[in-house]
Amino acid sequence: EAQVTQNPRYLITVTGKKLTVTCSQNMNHEYMSWYRQDPGLGLRQIYYSMNVEVTDKGDVPEGYKVSRKEKRNFPLILESPSPNQTSLYFCASSRGSVNEQYFGPGTRLTVT
Amino acid sequence: DAKTTQPNSMESNEEEPVHLPCNHSTISGTDYIHWYRQLPSQGPEYVIHGLTSNVNNRMASLAIAEDRKSSTLILHRATLRDAAVYYCILRDPGGSNYKLTFGKGTLLTVNP
Repeated sequence: EAQVTQNPRYLITVTGKKLTVTCSQNMNHEYMSWYRQDPGLGLRQIYYSMNVEVTDKGDVPEGYKVSRKEKRNFPLILESPSPNQTSLYFCASSRGSVNEQYFGPGTRLTVT
Repeated sequence: DAKTTQPNSMESNEEEPVHLPCNHSTISGTDYIHWYRQLPSQGPEYVIHGLTSNVNNRMASLAIAEDRKSSTLILHRATLRDAAVYYCILRDPGGSNYKLTFGKGTLLTVNP
């Protein structure tokens, strides 16, 4: 089954404790992306990757890092999480510019 | 990305057709019209997309106005599972970022 998986699905952590949210897709897609969703602000793109070793900033990249060492994986790294990064995070992947994007189930992160 | 305008909310009865409108008067000639939906507590899900001609798939139909300044997503027989926020998004296939710009969407309520 074609899918995007994210782990963990829920995470509560404390300010400053480094964490990684993993994202993996099994569709051999070149394009992957991270979004965050906040009430009243909708979904906003954090980072994206056009292919292995090719990443770039989205609209709200501050406080986040990404890497793309393998085509299937696109982890989101928070080196020093802060409470304003409390949000719902979605990973997405796509084959091309007009093709549908597949979204993961989401990771709900709370930073206290 | 060009802007879209959707009603904040709509209501339907189960097993009746639903027509979800979207206005995009500033659409460019190369913009594709995409529809996604987000069910409660899930990631966004692709529904359908088109450029000029009407499109059908197993989930829905997309009717595009001749001048392309508006479109309508048609759910032929609404079910309770169709209750979701529906997003109309314009995508230019050019560029290096396949970002989806989500607006507020239309919250569809389906009554049993």
